[in-house]
This record gives sequence, C-alpha cells and structure tokens, in this order.
Amino acid sequence: EPEVTQTPSHQVTQMGQEVILRCVPISNHLYFYWYRQILGQKVEFLVSFYNNEISEKSEIFDDQFSVERPDGSNFTLKIRSTKLEDSAMYFCASSADRDYEQYFGPGTRLTVT
Amino acid sequence: AQTVTQSQPEMSVQEAETVTLSCTYDTSESDYYLFWYKQPPSRQMILVIRQEAYKQQNATENRFSVNFQKAAKSFSLKISDSQLGDAAMYFCAYRPYSGAGSYQLTFGKGTKLSVIP
Repeated sequence: EPEVTQTPSHQVTQMGQEVILRCVPISNHLYFYWYRQILGQKVEFLVSFYNNEISEKSEIFDDQFSVERPDGSNFTLKIRSTKLEDSAMYFCASSADRDYEQYFGPGTRLTVT
Repeated sequence: AQTVTQSQPEMSVQEAETVTLSCTYDTSESDYYLFWYKQPPSRQMILVIRQEAYKQQNATENRFSVNFQKAAKSFSLKISDSQLGDAAMYFCAYRPYSGAGSYQLTFGKGTKLSVIP
C-alpha cells in the first residue's frame, strides 16, 4: 500500500541553524501539507501546497519557514534560523484531491538545542 | 474559526469491551468533513474513519463506527471489541468543504485510550 515517507526520523540541530525536512508524498497525490505537533499538544496546520505554490498557510508559518517541491517526488520544509520553540514533531501529509483524505507520514522529530 | 473539543483527556476500556470517545466542534459551515485519527506510541497519524457532513448515515469501518449528530455538532467514535492494539491517542479532526477555500485539518487535543487486558 502506498505511503508517505519522511526523512530523517529524528533531527537534532543547534539554535540558529537551518534545517530541511524531507517528505515523499504518495505518488499520484496532488495536494501536500505540513503539520507540527509540539510534545503534549494538538496537531497544528502549517501550510498546504498545490500546483507548485502555497495554497494556504497558518499564522505559525512565518518568514522563517518555506516549502518547496524541488522535483517530481520530494516535498520539503525548510526552517531558517531555528529556535528552541521549533522543537516538535513535523508531519507531512498528502491527498489525491482537495476533498480526499489526507494521509500522514511517520513524522520527523526535530530537537533544537 | 473552527474549533474541535475533546473533553476526555484519557479513557480506558477492558479488552473486548466497547468504548465511546467524544468530540464536539464548532463551525458556521454547512458542508464539511470530520475524521478520527489514531496516533499509537510510534506517533504516526493513522486515519481511522471519515464522515461527510451531508451524509446522514453514520460511517462504519469494521469495529469502528461514529455517531454523527449534525445539529448538536457532535461526532463520537465507538470502538467495539477493543483490542490491545487499539491503545493510542485518538484525535478528532474537522475540515471544511474545499469550496470554502480551506483544506486544513483542525484537530482536537486528543483522547488517550488505554486497553486493559
């Protein structure tokens, strides 16, 4: 069964460094999303992406964040100048169409020290 | 803004018994989707069941079923014949119909379900 994959599973970085989280969505899906979950809190929407552009973003998704689909398979989230409060689980999701279910990857645990 | 409320931070159930997890939501939209996601200790988010608001019939997926009460804005999840593998965090989520221009899922805070052997 097709699934969303994410790499790395765990990333440790120092405050102020840039990180890139990678996702490979399900191959025939067209809509891509990033969510994050700070430990012990609810899952929060960051951004949605379709047709090579951002279709929606939350207040959390400020100028330190960016997303890109550099090729036909990968979908990346870049965090510039990481802060301690960026420590969280980051989930990538994809859906075949906008009204279809979103399928989540296993997440990348980001730890900022 | 839409909100999703899960009033039970933790629940427990005996193996083979039935448990119901509660969820309420607030929205001014008439068309939307509701979901239950399961998050086991591995922390992967797994879709359990989906309900379209325009459908009166409650969704069912094997041992999982929902009780969708649109007027009351209530969306509970019933797990029958509970198994040890059902132990997880369960999140209720809302998403407006895409015609509203938004595709984002709004999640509740979750209910931690323990299954007692």
